[in-house]
Amino acid sequence: DTGVSQDPRHKITKRGQNVTFRCDPISEHNRLYWYRQTLGQGPEFLTYFQNEAQLEKSRLLSDRFSAERPKGSFSTLEIQRTEQGDSAMYLCASSPTGAAGNTIYFGEGSWLTVV
Amino acid sequence: KQEVTQIPAALSVPEGENLVLNCSFTDSAIYNLQWFRQDPGKGLTSLLLIQSSQREQTSGRLNASLDKSSGRSTLYIAASQPGDSATYLCAVRGFNDYKLSFGAGTTVTVRA
Repeated sequence: DTGVSQDPRHKITKRGQNVTFRCDPISEHNRLYWYRQTLGQGPEFLTYFQNEAQLEKSRLLSDRFSAERPKGSFSTLEIQRTEQGDSAMYLCASSPTGAAGNTIYFGEGSWLTVV
Repeated sequence: KQEVTQIPAALSVPEGENLVLNCSFTDSAIYNLQWFRQDPGKGLTSLLLIQSSQREQTSGRLNASLDKSSGRSTLYIAASQPGDSATYLCAVRGFNDYKLSFGAGTTVTVRA
């Protein structure tokens, strides 16, 4: 397994357009997380799935943001009606349950630029 | 709400010098603390994880200590190399909580 995979790696979109990012976690990792990172800052938590259930959402996740994880495998993060403030790197991470779940594994991130 | 602070924000040292990176957090009720490395434009790579019951963890030239009662962790990198140039982030996880709270990172430059 090659790790957490994210697609696309870079996306430039016009304000008002919708964008969708995909994350493929490490096989058999049933926990999946989305974070957002802006330049010069640490990642901020957005949402967390255990299998297909979305168990926690940050207040940062406005109504324009939606995340899904059908069948507990890959996940998508959709941003509707993008705004310039949405420009950031969106990071996906996964971890197994149990003691091994203490370490989480991050993908390379998806850069979003809203112009 | 957990607040994580990393000082200094940036550090430049000549090759061979030891690095000391500091992390502080406001809520001492943590489950664990992790140190990550991030190269420019890339994702995060986990370096060390310290459980709340532990005082330190070591991996090669890296050593991380944890003083939970004072809300502090320190990452030591011995005999720095230019390849150590990156941003180092610390993150804490609370009990009954799966999300990580990150600091803003310390950007390290090791000069050859």
